[in-house]
Amino acid sequence: GAGVSQTPSNKVTEKGKYVELRCDPISGHTALYWYRQSLGQGPEFLIYFQGTGAADDSGLPNDRFFAVRPEGSVSTLKIQRTERGDSAVYLCASSVSGRARGEQFFGPGTRLTVL
Amino acid sequence: DQQVKQNSPSLSVQEGRISILNCDYTNSMFDYFLWYKKYPAEGPTFLISISSIKDKNEDGRFTVFLNKSAKHLSLHIVPSQPGDSAVYFCAASAGLNTGNQFYFGTGTSLTVIP
Repeated sequence: GAGVSQTPSNKVTEKGKYVELRCDPISGHTALYWYRQSLGQGPEFLIYFQGTGAADDSGLPNDRFFAVRPEGSVSTLKIQRTERGDSAVYLCASSVSGRARGEQFFGPGTRLTVL
Repeated sequence: DQQVKQNSPSLSVQEGRISILNCDYTNSMFDYFLWYKKYPAEGPTFLISISSIKDKNEDGRFTVFLNKSAKHLSLHIVPSQPGDSAVYFCAASAGLNTGNQFYFGTGTSLTVIP
């Protein structure tokens, strides 16, 4: 399977806990994006990686959210001290490059529920 | 502040007829636009795109029209098929120096009635 994969597909946690969401982009894609989709809304940009570095993290809502991509491939979105308002579907997308026009390929998402 | 708007949350169309989905944007820096299709429990799937240097792009049954002066784009599907039933998202980006991040509308749920 050459698509973007995300794990877990579903995550239920309690308020205040720490969670990690993983994204495996398409091999060779240098650009990786995280989006968050709340109920009834479209995907909302969180952070963009070009290679290993976070080129734009302006969409992260606060300092409880952090993402890494240490080897320029797999990325992990980390959420500390989760709140009920963090409940959403977290989508990962990759593209050949963030420096050229083109589509982004989305994974199926991780549905996070904070109780 | 919603920079990309889809004002119709839902649309029903008879099979074989034309479906027209609309999208408006506010940011004049947007220069690349896309439509994505989403089925439940799946990620959005790319459908068609258009650059701001064009006013029309066609791919099979799908045509996207861009009216820059009105900051409006539309997706035409003709003829509509039951398999087209999904949520359609309009997206826009504002230049490569922003990393090509997409701004999405809230989506329009299309139902094609057999």
